[in-house]
Amino acid sequence: TQLLEQSPQFLSIQEGENLTVYCNSSSVFSSLQWYRQEPGEGPVLLVTVVTGGEVKKLKRLTFQFGDARKDSSLHITAAQPGDTGLYLCAGPKMSQGAQKLVFGQGTRLTINP
Amino acid sequence: NAGVMQNPRHLVRRRGQEARLRCSPMKGHSHVYWYRQLPEEGLKFMVYLQKENIIDESGMPKERFSAEFPKEGPSILRIQQVVRGDSAAYFCASSPSQEYEQYFGPGTRLTVT
Repeated sequence: TQLLEQSPQFLSIQEGENLTVYCNSSSVFSSLQWYRQEPGEGPVLLVTVVTGGEVKKLKRLTFQFGDARKDSSLHITAAQPGDTGLYLCAGPKMSQGAQKLVFGQGTRLTINP
Repeated sequence: NAGVMQNPRHLVRRRGQEARLRCSPMKGHSHVYWYRQLPEEGLKFMVYLQKENIIDESGMPKERFSAEFPKEGPSILRIQQVVRGDSAAYFCASSPSQEYEQYFGPGTRLTVT
């Protein structure tokens, strides 16, 4: 079972449209991170949300952390082809006395010109 | 400040050969994490190391896989007697401490023929 569930798994929209992707869990996380990964590259950290209810903006991207710290959303306004990529959410989990990141399976976003 | 470096970027091995993947963390980072990513999936934690110590290897198969992070030099992920199912992208991440965000390298894409 996946600790972090992302939806949708695939999304293809036209340039200029708005979109929201989701990251959900039944577990509470101290923080959640969003990464974007392009083909052939490693994930690049976009943002970390820490406080329940927190909203962070990165240009046309708006990230929200749920009040209960179990979920997060990423909203993109006026999507552009450069936004195309795999969006991953991740959260820290303690296991065997060490903290490690658990990842969702990702949302593969395609923005068509 | 150079980012996380991984080499080789692409590695082809025949079944039964050994694969050695290298990771040089960012300057000042003493915590290294290895993840594996299968096509169209998120990243799965394998092992967490600090200099000369394995902290958590709960995500690493018990056989054929080993990791080290010596006092001098890069971290090495070693896969002995590779099988087709080992084909994947392997990513290394580093952080200055367990509580800080992890920064990823570009990955090594292993293909077993």
